[in-house]
Amino acid sequence: QQQVKQSPQSLIVQKGGIPIINCAYENTAFDYFPWYQQFPGKGPALLIAIRPDVSEKKEGRFTISFNKSAKQFSLHIMDSQPGDSATYFCAASITGRRALTFGSGTRLQVQP
Amino acid sequence: EAGVVQSPRYKIIEKKQPVAFWCNPISGHNTLYWYRQNLGQGPELLIRYENEEAVDDSQLPKDRFSAERLKGVDSTLKIQPAELGDSAVYLCASSLDSSGNTIYFGEGSWLTVV
Repeated sequence: QQQVKQSPQSLIVQKGGIPIINCAYENTAFDYFPWYQQFPGKGPALLIAIRPDVSEKKEGRFTISFNKSAKQFSLHIMDSQPGDSATYFCAASITGRRALTFGSGTRLQVQP
Repeated sequence: EAGVVQSPRYKIIEKKQPVAFWCNPISGHNTLYWYRQNLGQGPELLIRYENEEAVDDSQLPKDRFSAERLKGVDSTLKIQPAELGDSAVYLCASSLDSSGNTIYFGEGSWLTVV
């Protein structure tokens, strides 16, 4: 059972564009929602995370929007740069009880 | 501060052969995870340790996979015998504890079974 569904599978934007990646979850017990960035040949690295008591969190050019009633959350990358080209994974966990469950990933390409 | 260290980085073996992966977590991190990442997919949890205790191994294929974390520090993941479908990246990760702290991943061990 896929508990975290991610879309789109791939995304191409021009430099300066605002790519948006969406995730939907099923388990209402999830209470921690991070986004990870992965470059080829590297392990995933935490980008930004949110808990369900807030609807939005911003760190630099990265913003998470969270809709608890719809069980959805999304990542927005403002002023995207070619260096942002990577695979992005959403994830969800239950603090202290269940480790991260990852989405299937979105391969982002930012063209110069 | 050193990150999560994994070895070997790359391994090619024939099917039915054994293989082992080693992980040294970030110093002081009590929680250790092994994930498997198939090509083009997200990581999937195999096992989670709290110190030396395996607290979640429900996704570990126990007929051929085994793991240990002696002394609650570094860990070894073994596959015996390997099958073609085991080709994947095996990621080790660690966190201070399981209370919601950031999980840090190593660079992974790339396994190809031929």
